[in-house]
Amino acid sequence: QKEVEQNSGPLSVPEGAIASLNCTYSDRGSQSFFWYRQYSGKSPELIMFIYSNGDKEDGRFTAQLNKASQYVSLLIRDSQPSDSATYLCAVNQGNTGNQFYFGTGTSLTVIP
Amino acid sequence: DAGVIQSPRHEVTEMGQEVTLRCKPISGHNSLFWYRQTMMRGLELLIYFNNNVPIDDSGMPEDRFSAKMPNASFSTLKIQPSEPRDSAVYFCASSLGTSGGQETQYFGPGTRLLVL
Repeated sequence: QKEVEQNSGPLSVPEGAIASLNCTYSDRGSQSFFWYRQYSGKSPELIMFIYSNGDKEDGRFTAQLNKASQYVSLLIRDSQPSDSATYLCAVNQGNTGNQFYFGTGTSLTVIP
Repeated sequence: DAGVIQSPRHEVTEMGQEVTLRCKPISGHNSLFWYRQTMMRGLELLIYFNNNVPIDDSGMPEDRFSAKMPNASFSTLKIQPSEPRDSAVYFCASSLGTSGGQETQYFGPGTRLLVL
């Protein structure tokens, strides 16, 4: 079983819609959770991190964490064509140091 | 801040040749990570250093791969001999390296390696 799982997509949404990206993780002791965006041919860049159960909002982005269900999601409101990218979920288990476990990513396309 | 610097950005080599990838982490960061990314396997952690000491190298594929961090501002990942299946994008990332795991990793631009 993979440490971190994401639906690879592709996920397509129309411009202005809400895009919902999901991620599950296997280690119940995981402590911190990160969402990275990666444009084609570029390196991953951090969008958000979340440590506590509940929602965390930053502009058009909302991260949601449910540790009981071992589930973290990213919502993108008012999706724009510039949001088209691959979104990577990363989990830090805390007790094993600073390394992350990455999902394989979900490809998002926002259709104008 | 210059960010994480990697060189070369692109490398094309022939099977059997030695390849050396270089990374300069963000100044003040104490943790450094080497990743490999392919379409099939996604982003895989190869090795991670904290304060120049290798902490976890369980992701290093085999003895052909080696990594060093002689000082806080420089690291190398070497493949010898290289094989076509090593073709991938290799990323270096760094983070502050404080305890607790609640910190962000910042990625370099990557090195695209093609082994013919």
